[in-house]
Amino acid sequence: EAGVAQSPRYKIIEKRQSVAFWCNPISGHATLYWYQQILGQGPKLLIQFQNNGVVDDSQLPKDRFSAERLKGVDSTLKIQPAKLEDSAVYLCASSLVNGGTGELFFGEGSRLTVL
Amino acid sequence: GDSVTQMEGPVTLSEEAFLTINCTYTATGYPSLFWYVQYPGEGLQLLLKATKADDKGSNKGFEATYRKETTSFHLEKGSVQVSDSAVYFCALSARETSGSRLTFGEGTQLTVNP
Repeated sequence: EAGVAQSPRYKIIEKRQSVAFWCNPISGHATLYWYQQILGQGPKLLIQFQNNGVVDDSQLPKDRFSAERLKGVDSTLKIQPAKLEDSAVYLCASSLVNGGTGELFFGEGSRLTVL
Repeated sequence: GDSVTQMEGPVTLSEEAFLTINCTYTATGYPSLFWYVQYPGEGLQLLLKATKADDKGSNKGFEATYRKETTSFHLEKGSVQVSDSAVYFCALSARETSGSRLTFGEGTQLTVNP
């Protein structure tokens, strides 16, 4: 079974530039998450989708971050304009709908460096 | 809101030593509890879980028991190996919410020396 795919693995940009990250979840997983993991900290939820609807985006900085999940499969997370404090690893995860067990399957992450 | 507190790291042990990583939580209702592990250069992966009070999760020699009375889920291993070197995250999932989103602790870096 293929895992969660993310790209790019690494991205370096100047502040005020824009960047986009892509995620392809495990086939059949209706729930998709984007987490931000700043160095030395635990992952923090940015946004959760169920199919192509947003379940929770309360911690997404909506003035600069946006995310979409077209057709309930792939998802894109965009940052525009980027700030220095956005330097982090952006993790995509997926799970079965109302899995109950709470097991999330994570991709390897996209590491963003903002200079 | 929900939160998870882990013992501060990093933790450095010699091979075959006993490991404990403390984890306590705050949550409404009855959450499910998890330990995730992140090996160098890899993504997060589930190590073990417990979904109700007094449940014991176990995997790869690691164990953790869901203690409702102390709101804890401490991770233990009787004899660590060099290959256990990784970052360990305690997490909870609030049952009353849809989906299975996780709230993570800050992580504990474990280094095991030969």
